[in-house]
Amino acid sequence: GAGVSQSPSNKVTEKGKDVELRCDPISGHTALYWYRQSLGQGLEFLIYFQGNSAPDKSGLPSDRFSAERTGGSVSTLTIQRTQQEDSAVYLCASSFQRGPSYEQYFGPGTRLTVT
Amino acid sequence: AQSVTQLDSQVPVFEEAPVELRCNYSSSVSVYLFWYVQYPNQGLQLLLKYLSGSTLVKGINGFEAEFNKSQTSFHLRKPSVHISDTAEYFCAVSGPNSGNTPLVFGKGTRLSVIA
Repeated sequence: GAGVSQSPSNKVTEKGKDVELRCDPISGHTALYWYRQSLGQGLEFLIYFQGNSAPDKSGLPSDRFSAERTGGSVSTLTIQRTQQEDSAVYLCASSFQRGPSYEQYFGPGTRLTVT
Repeated sequence: AQSVTQLDSQVPVFEEAPVELRCNYSSSVSVYLFWYVQYPNQGLQLLLKYLSGSTLVKGINGFEAEFNKSQTSFHLRKPSVHISDTAEYFCAVSGPNSGNTPLVFGKGTRLSVIA
């Protein structure tokens, strides 16, 4: 079946612009996660959704970052007033339920470059 | 707080030779442990996981890992590597509570298999 998809695959934006990154999880997966992968920081957790609610936003680096999930499916990560340090690969993952017994399936990521 | 240390950032190895990728974790509570692989321009794929039970865990593609609680380690091994194993490998830890699902990743080890 279809895996996790993310769009766009690449995004180049100017400093100060807003960007939206989209994640389509595997159908039926209730849990959705956003991670950021950068050279200096490795892989960092950003936010987690169970259904449409986000019980854990602890990883969002600043109030310029926000995310929502609608219909228990698609999620959008929005970065406002982008900065050069936001350049990274943003990975989305989904799992059938929350909890370590349930494998997180990762999408291919969106590579964001802020110039 | 939990943390993961991958002791080697890069590991070159000749084809058909054995390999060990090292991972140590820090946690004051019991944890679940994972190894993921990332091929170029792709998302992460689960290789294997330790939740409980036998400390020797077998995964896909001939990989295995051993959980050692006294040494807080979860090293990944393969007896004979192939060119196709060239990729980045990430060790990750998750907490024991069903709600504590975000994965904490190590910084990764780049495995290069040489023909």
